Amino acid sequence: GENVEQHPSTLSVQEGDSAVIKCTYSDSASNYFPWYKQELGKRPQLIIDIRSNVGEKKDQRIAVTLNKTAKHFSLHITETQPEDSAVYFCAAGPNAGNMLTFGGGTRLMVKP
Amino acid sequence: GAGVSQSPSNKVTEKGKDVELRCDPISGHTALYWYRQRLGQGLEFLIYFQGNSAPDKSGLPSDRFSAERTGESVSTLTIQRTQQEDSAVYLCASSLSASASNEQFFGPGTRLTVL
Repeated sequence: GENVEQHPSTLSVQEGDSAVIKCTYSDSASNYFPWYKQELGKRPQLIIDIRSNVGEKKDQRIAVTLNKTAKHFSLHITETQPEDSAVYFCAAGPNAGNMLTFGGGTRLMVKP
Repeated sequence: GAGVSQSPSNKVTEKGKDVELRCDPISGHTALYWYRQRLGQGLEFLIYFQGNSAPDKSGLPSDRFSAERTGESVSTLTIQRTQQEDSAVYLCASSLSASASNEQFFGPGTRLTVL
């Protein structure tokens, strides 16, 4: 089955700096890679996703890159703000509707 | 519109008792998923329903865990003879269908505490 590793487990940055979270996956059949943000006590919410037919996707301050050959993908947050503080989860799956395998999460803390 | 809802929001039970957790997916969503999230950890897949197909139960940790879904609506996750290690937040998600363009929407979760 699929195995997703996520690093780092915690990340502390100053407001305005960039944050990068990296994930690797094992199953070459995976072709859908979403990122979820989970604030304390809240449900996970999708913030961006990428499919294997593209290498990069950007949405305002958030971008995701995918390297299918190396089986890794990354989340980039620029100009971080305190409200970006949360736990971020990467996931991988054969497509958006099937079972997702999640990484262990990264706790991002943005210091004002 | 209404999102995924789950009940109860919190459940405290004694070791050895059975519990039932309920999930109401978004109307029209044919795919439904259950995940478990232990404190400070990631989401662990439990079971997945897609329409009238046989569910994918590959993530259920033991035979004490089972789930049912009535058609394309409500699902219940049952844990029999609960153990302390079952304490976690149980999250339900739904998606329009199991295809390449459908985001999974999560419910608020049920926090289960087994004493």
